Amino acid sequence: GAVVSQHPSRVICKSGTSVKIECRSLDFQATTMFWYRQFPKQSLMLMATSNEGSKATYEQGVEKDKFLINHASLTLSTLTVTSAHPEDSSFYICSASLQVEQYFGPGTRLTVT
Amino acid sequence: SQKIEQNSEALNIQEGKTATLTCNYTNYSPAYLQWYRQDPGRGPVFLLLIRENEKEKRKERLKVTFDTTLKQSLFHITASQPADSATYLCALDPRNQGGKLIFGQGTELSVKP
Repeated sequence: GAVVSQHPSRVICKSGTSVKIECRSLDFQATTMFWYRQFPKQSLMLMATSNEGSKATYEQGVEKDKFLINHASLTLSTLTVTSAHPEDSSFYICSASLQVEQYFGPGTRLTVT
Repeated sequence: SQKIEQNSEALNIQEGKTATLTCNYTNYSPAYLQWYRQDPGRGPVFLLLIRENEKEKRKERLKVTFDTTLKQSLFHITASQPADSATYLCALDPRNQGGKLIFGQGTELSVKP
């Protein structure tokens, strides 16, 4: 139980384009999902908290117009990186909360060329 | 300032020994603390959660302790195996912030046969 999927697992895009990443809780409903990014050899940095049916709450320093989050249902949240640039290249990971535990997706490696 | 710190040095131990990883925090009063395992290029995998009113939690070969006076959690893997080699992350909730987690930087464990 408590499985979270992410799609795609890996994406390469050109600078200036937008990329959408999906996060699904497969066997439970999650009222809250979280989006993190992780640079090599560093820990997870929370980007935003996503609640179903309401606007996401962004952490300080995260541009909400650049990282668009939609949480349309209890099992799906999406992160869209708009007008991506090489500095947005990173490992993006979502999680979904079940009571207080968080269960993570396998991550999406984004490379912007 | 608020901090959560784990041993930054990699931990190398012999198979069969007990691995002990440390997580210290300052200026937080978490209601619970969680431990995760992360393999390279993968999302974290939930291992154990311990609440503020619990001193110790066990799951198979894993044991976690939580000392709110010392502001420290210890994570033990007994009878360690090469398959336990990974990065281990501790995370705490900053309390009353919608369930979000703050992660330590992780400790890399290497178990040699």
